[in-house]
Amino acid sequence: SAVISQKPSRDICQRGTSLTIQCQVDSQVTMMFWYRQQPGQSLTLIATANQGSEATYESGFVIDKFPISRPNLTFSTLTVSNMSPEDSSIYLCSVEGPVRYEQYFGPGTRLTVT
Amino acid sequence: GIQVEQSPPDLILQEGANSTLRCNFSDSVNNLQWFHQNPWGQLINLFYIPSGTKQNGRLSATTVATERYSLLYISSSQTTDSGVYFCAVYVVGNEKLTFGTGTRLTIIP
Repeated sequence: SAVISQKPSRDICQRGTSLTIQCQVDSQVTMMFWYRQQPGQSLTLIATANQGSEATYESGFVIDKFPISRPNLTFSTLTVSNMSPEDSSIYLCSVEGPVRYEQYFGPGTRLTVT
Repeated sequence: GIQVEQSPPDLILQEGANSTLRCNFSDSVNNLQWFHQNPWGQLINLFYIPSGTKQNGRLSATTVATERYSLLYISSSQTTDSGVYFCAVYVVGNEKLTFGTGTRLTIIP
């Protein structure tokens, strides 16, 4: 299985600012995924990021709020822009493992917006 | 879209007890995974189980795809089993993972 790291592991930010979260994988992968987990809730897919193309966003998520970069096959970033307290969540990246349809997750970034 | 419901939503057990967690899904799936989210938020892969039965130590899982449900069994519970358990499915024809509602398990010493 892939080894996935995320930076930062946690952060406390002021409303109106932006935070960029990094996701690094130890092997080349075609697709990377970004999820949000609001407090006490399940995980919701934000977008799918393929290298060399625009990310595909799920309903309710827009590029202006959550811009994503995918510069190569091992790295991606998610930016949470113009943050409000409602953006306080755990943000997780994931990749598909060697077995199709099996996903592995990074350790997550715990974001608190004050 | 697909609905993925887990039951029970909360479960409190004494150490040493056994438990069964259920995941029901409303459409045909390519895959089903079970995860354990520990108190630090880390998602740990437990099983990749589109059908059949698998066992790993004190944990086992069964998926009956034709009846659209999966079960996770935990035997001889330990306090380290506490956390939230999620099932997640890949819908046929849709390249994304949809998570269930989760079961919060608390094991009391």
